[in-house]
Amino acid sequence: DAGVTQSPTHLIKTRGQHVTLRCSPISGHKSVSWYQQVLGQGPQFIFQYYEKEERGRGNFPDRFSARQFPNYSSELNVNALLLGDSALYLCASSSPLSRTDNEQFFGPGTRLTVL
Amino acid sequence: AQSVAQPEDQVNVAEGNPLTVKCTYSVSGNPYLFWYVQYPNRGLQFLLKYITGDNLVKGSYGFEAEFNKSQTSFHLKKPSALVSDSALYFCAVREGNFNKFYFGSGTKLNVKP
Repeated sequence: DAGVTQSPTHLIKTRGQHVTLRCSPISGHKSVSWYQQVLGQGPQFIFQYYEKEERGRGNFPDRFSARQFPNYSSELNVNALLLGDSALYLCASSSPLSRTDNEQFFGPGTRLTVL
Repeated sequence: AQSVAQPEDQVNVAEGNPLTVKCTYSVSGNPYLFWYVQYPNRGLQFLLKYITGDNLVKGSYGFEAEFNKSQTSFHLKKPSALVSDSALYFCAVREGNFNKFYFGSGTKLNVKP
């Protein structure tokens, strides 16, 4: 079985631009979460989506948005990029929302560099 | 609010020796605790989890973790370290029924031959 996939692998943008990151969860997984990992820190929660609805949002500005599609894949959008948005963006999927013992399965991440 | 703390930025151990990577937590309600490992330029890989039950949890690659409620700790352990265990280790706590994980700052494990 394929794991969580993310595209692109690397991305270089300039300040003020917009970026779209993509994620495909493990087959059968309906929940997708996005995390930002700045170099030297642990991942920070951005969003969680389940059945195409936002179920959780972290402490990130409105420049960050996301959506989930009928096939459960997801996009993370970031507008008006700042230098501080440079990070590894991780997508994670898990099966049913209500299971408290579910671990998350992470993709390899997208490395975003903002110049 | 949920949080975890990893007090050590780096742990150095010789191959064959036991290793411990420390984690303490602060939660309201029942703790759902996890350990993940991250290799360079890779995503996070699940190692083990504590939800309920036995305080000693066994996971992947020979790792185990000990849940201690009185000390609010969830330390990761391995009886005999391998050079290939060298990586970045993250402790995490899950918030309630949602897939919102709070991660620690990470501990870099260096295993020397």
